[in-house]
This record gives sequence, C-alpha cells and structure tokens, in this order.
Amino acid sequence: AQRVTQPEKLLSVFKGAPVELKCNYSYSGSPELFWYVQYSRQRLQLLLRHISRESIKGFTADLNKGETSFHLKKPFAQEEDSAMYYCALSSSGGSNYKLTFGKGTLLTVNP
Amino acid sequence: EAGVTQFPSHSVIEKGQTVTLRCDPISGHDNLYWYRRVMGKEIKFLLHFVKESKQDESGMPNNRFLAERTGGTYSTLKVQPAELEDSGVYFCASSQDVDSPLHFGNGTRLTVT
Repeated sequence: AQRVTQPEKLLSVFKGAPVELKCNYSYSGSPELFWYVQYSRQRLQLLLRHISRESIKGFTADLNKGETSFHLKKPFAQEEDSAMYYCALSSSGGSNYKLTFGKGTLLTVNP
Repeated sequence: EAGVTQFPSHSVIEKGQTVTLRCDPISGHDNLYWYRRVMGKEIKFLLHFVKESKQDESGMPNNRFLAERTGGTYSTLKVQPAELEDSGVYFCASSQDVDSPLHFGNGTRLTVT
C-alpha cells in the first residue's frame, strides 16, 4: 500500500533563511507527487506537481526515486510562506484525484 | 469563478443523529471528490463522482456513509447514524477532468459528541 511520510509536524525558520520540508513515500508503482498548501483561513490548494517541473512562489521539489523522496525547498523563506504544507501521492495510474496525503508540516516563518 | 462551496462550515451533532453535508463544485466540473481528515490522521480519499455516477467509492469507511450527486451538480454526504469517530473535517473537491488539479472547498468541520 502507498504511504506518504512527512517527518516534521512543525518547522520554524526565520525570514530569508532556506527552508526544506521533507516528504518520503512508499509506492510500488510509478508515483506522481504533489505539494498542497493551506494558508490560514484559506482552502487547500495545489502548490506544485513533480511532472510540471516548475517553480511556484519560489518553491521547487525534485522527485528522487532512489531515496523515494520529494522534498520541498525554497532558498529564502518569506513570512507569507507560513502555512500548512501537505505532500501527496497519486495512486490512480496517472490521474491525480485519488491522493494519499501525508499528515502535513506547519511552517512558520518568523520576521 | 466561484470556488467549491461546502455547507455547513461547522456541524455539531450527538452520537446516533444524522448529518448531511453538501458540496457545490465549480460550474462545469464533472468530477467531484470527497475527502476527510479525522483527528490526528491524514487527509483520506472517500469517493469520486463523474457527473452523477460513482466512479470510485473505495475510501468510504462503512455503510453509515451515503454520498449522492443527483443530476450531476451538487453532492451530498450523509452520515447515519453518526459515531464519535466520524468527527473530523470533510473536504469536497472538483476538477474538470481526472488529470486536472483538484480545487478544494473550505471543508465542513463535523463534531460528534
């Protein structure tokens, strides 16, 4: 069965510092990975997906199949990055509706 | 465009009662999904509708949960009778097709006492 692990429940950094939110997965097939974000009082929204290979709001994530990881990184954190971040894996053969989520990491960026 | 809307935002009921949650997807989105997060656990998939048809209900926890999407527009998720372990946040999401990003609603926080 597929599983997504986010080892850090809480992560606190200072503004301007690099940030890395860890995500590891286990899945026997070819995974499709996503990062979702939920800002305070807002709805859950897609931040990025690995197949897009894009940078959103300065965040990037690289799929490392050898280490089964999909860590989210940003070189210089901003206060507005404070939010709950969820790593998710799609197990529906290329479609992205049936997501397995991690428990989430609450990122706080201090001024 | 209007986003996915869910009603109510909060619901507090007693064990044994019935609760119905509603989700209005983004107009034109044929695909509608229900997810939930119970206390201390991950957000988990419940089921997927394409228009009015249930495509995948493998995540539904038991037969106390009934989801419908009559007419292929809004959807309801009924819990009858509610149990304490049903407490959590129920999310609805919609997408244009199964490869499109999911658009989530704000969720309904259900508390069963």
